Amino acid sequence: GENVEQHPSTLSVQEGDSAVIKCTYSDSASNYFPWYKQELGKRPQLIIDIRSNVGEKKDQRIAVTLNKTAKHFSLHITETQPEDSAVYFCAASIMEYGNKLVFGAGTILRVKS
Amino acid sequence: AAGVIQSPRHLIKEKRETATLKCYPIPRHDTVYWYQQGPGQDPQFLISFYEKMQSDKGSIPDRFSAQQFSDYHSELNMSSLELGDSALYFCASSLGQSNTEAFFGQGTRLTVV
Repeated sequence: GENVEQHPSTLSVQEGDSAVIKCTYSDSASNYFPWYKQELGKRPQLIIDIRSNVGEKKDQRIAVTLNKTAKHFSLHITETQPEDSAVYFCAASIMEYGNKLVFGAGTILRVKS
Repeated sequence: AAGVIQSPRHLIKEKRETATLKCYPIPRHDTVYWYQQGPGQDPQFLISFYEKMQSDKGSIPDRFSAQQFSDYHSELNMSSLELGDSALYFCASSLGQSNTEAFFGQGTRLTVV
């Protein structure tokens, strides 16, 4: 089955700096890669996603890149703000097969002001 | 806009008791997913339903069962509860079982004592 690895497990950045979180997946059939932000005790919230037919997607301060050959995708947050502090999860799924999400272990992002 | 509704939000049970968690998907959504998230861990897929039929199964213990009803709401039944079942249980729903984004509910926090 699919296995998703996520790095780093914790990341501390200064307000205004950029943050990068990286994930790798094992199943080459995976074609949907969402990123979720989760605050303590709350639900995961989708912040951006990318499908395998696209190499990069951007939404304001957030961008995701995908390298299908290397089976690697990354989340980039620019101009970080204290409210970006949360746990971020990457995930992978095969959308045609029911879209069951396999999550990475998560990254705790701390933005210091 | 209406979101995924889960009830109860919090539940405390003793070992060996049973628990029933309910999920009401977004109106018109016909697909429901259940995830279990232990403390400090990533969400783990348990089971999913599409049009009232089980569509996929993950790491769901035999002590747990679930179903989707004619109004598309779903219930997760958990018997012979163990301390290790203490977790956040999330339900997510989508329109169709492929090629569509899943939206998470706010979760049920189950504590087994």
